[in-house]
Amino acid sequence: AQKVTQAQTEISVVEKEDVTLDCVYETRDTTYYLFWYKQPPSGELVFLIRRNSFDEQNEISGRYSWNFQKSTSSFNFTITASQVVDSAVYFCALRTYTGANSKLTFGKGITLSVRP
Amino acid sequence: GAGVSQTPSNKVTEKGKYVELRCDPISGHTALYWYRQSLGQGPEFLIYFQGTGAADDSGLPNDRFFAVRPEGSVSTLKIQRTERGDSAVYLCASSLSSRESAYNEQFFGPGTRLTVL
Repeated sequence: AQKVTQAQTEISVVEKEDVTLDCVYETRDTTYYLFWYKQPPSGELVFLIRRNSFDEQNEISGRYSWNFQKSTSSFNFTITASQVVDSAVYFCALRTYTGANSKLTFGKGITLSVRP
Repeated sequence: GAGVSQTPSNKVTEKGKYVELRCDPISGHTALYWYRQSLGQGPEFLIYFQGTGAADDSGLPNDRFFAVRPEGSVSTLKIQRTERGDSAVYLCASSLSSRESAYNEQFFGPGTRLTVL
């Protein structure tokens, strides 16, 4: 079975601060994908980033960066120079590479509040 | 292009009634998913369609829940004899075919907020 744990529930920062959102996952599969989604107050889930289990190279995309470590089963997400518009609930999700069962398993989410 | 659309956006019903929730996926997306999101929780998987067939319905909580996708496009989630515990936001997502790769991200609709009184 798959499991995603987001231990942080709420984070509040002041604009321009950097913030890191933690994610720990569990799976017995050797091939899987990890995702981060953002859910603003409007409610629609928005895809942010994805990483496959073969690629532990960490990347930066604009103000977003992620740190994937298989040794600790962690997939942490960092927002640099946060903005008020970043305020939302952030979900980490896991998807295993099985054609007949491609559901996403989500964590409970982290509510990020960015104050001006 | 148009994203995933869901109707209605809000549905209020009484306990014991029957409801239908509709999802219109992105054109060309053969994979369609239903999730349920309770307050303060992440979305939980309900059912996954590949084309017209339900490839995985392991997330449906009981036999009061049923979903169809007769022509491989629009899908309807049907809930019989609704209970107060069914109150949640029901999310639909679509993606390019999942048979080739689990890499493809799922695009989510705005959801239907179901309230059972």
